[in-house]
Amino acid sequence: DAKTTQPNSMESNEEEPVHLPCNHSTISGTDYIHWYRQLPSQGPEYVIHGLTSNVNNRMASLAIAEDRKSSTLILHRATLRDAAVYYCIRVWGGQNFVFGPGTRLSVLP
Amino acid sequence: NAGVTQTPKFRVLKTGQSMTLLCAQDMNHEYMYWYRQDPGMGLRLIHYSVGEGTTAKGEVPDGYNVSRLKKQNFLLGLESAAPSQTSVYFCASSRQPSYGYTFGSGTRLTVV
Repeated sequence: DAKTTQPNSMESNEEEPVHLPCNHSTISGTDYIHWYRQLPSQGPEYVIHGLTSNVNNRMASLAIAEDRKSSTLILHRATLRDAAVYYCIRVWGGQNFVFGPGTRLSVLP
Repeated sequence: NAGVTQTPKFRVLKTGQSMTLLCAQDMNHEYMYWYRQDPGMGLRLIHYSVGEGTTAKGEVPDGYNVSRLKKQNFLLGLESAAPSQTSVYFCASSRQPSYGYTFGSGTRLTVV
């Protein structure tokens, strides 16, 4: 199965770090891990992606396990605007891309 | 920089009517995609294109047709709309899939 596994929902307090987990146990060597988020009534927004090494950008960090069977999206300091559904996606064959139901993140003030 | 633009944003159709959804991107991307999203679910791929003049079926292609006559445009057609096609439709484009996708803001379609 090409889909990934994520918790249905998570909560975080504002200004605290958030670690969003994802399992992708069937991943193969050339598959990328992408993270997107979707705010209410908007299209998905690219967050970050990686292959083997940990990645950082202005939005988040991505930590990929050494065996690549899991990864964690890290929001260093959650804000109310980070409340969204976060999708972890495995991209295989260069273009195959399947969304699961994602993790709904709630940020509490 | 507009990115990915979808038109229309909202539409109500009667069963059996036809319509075309337009997706336009100004980033010179080769790859373009059409997804649908039903309540509480992730996105499901309908059709995609890897370049001008090419199209391919995705996960849920039945009842839809697509065309990519120009690199910047990807059209999604419903020849005979059914209530099961009530959904939010998203278009996306990518320079190279492993680099990430840019999504449009969606078209909310209701078929009555």
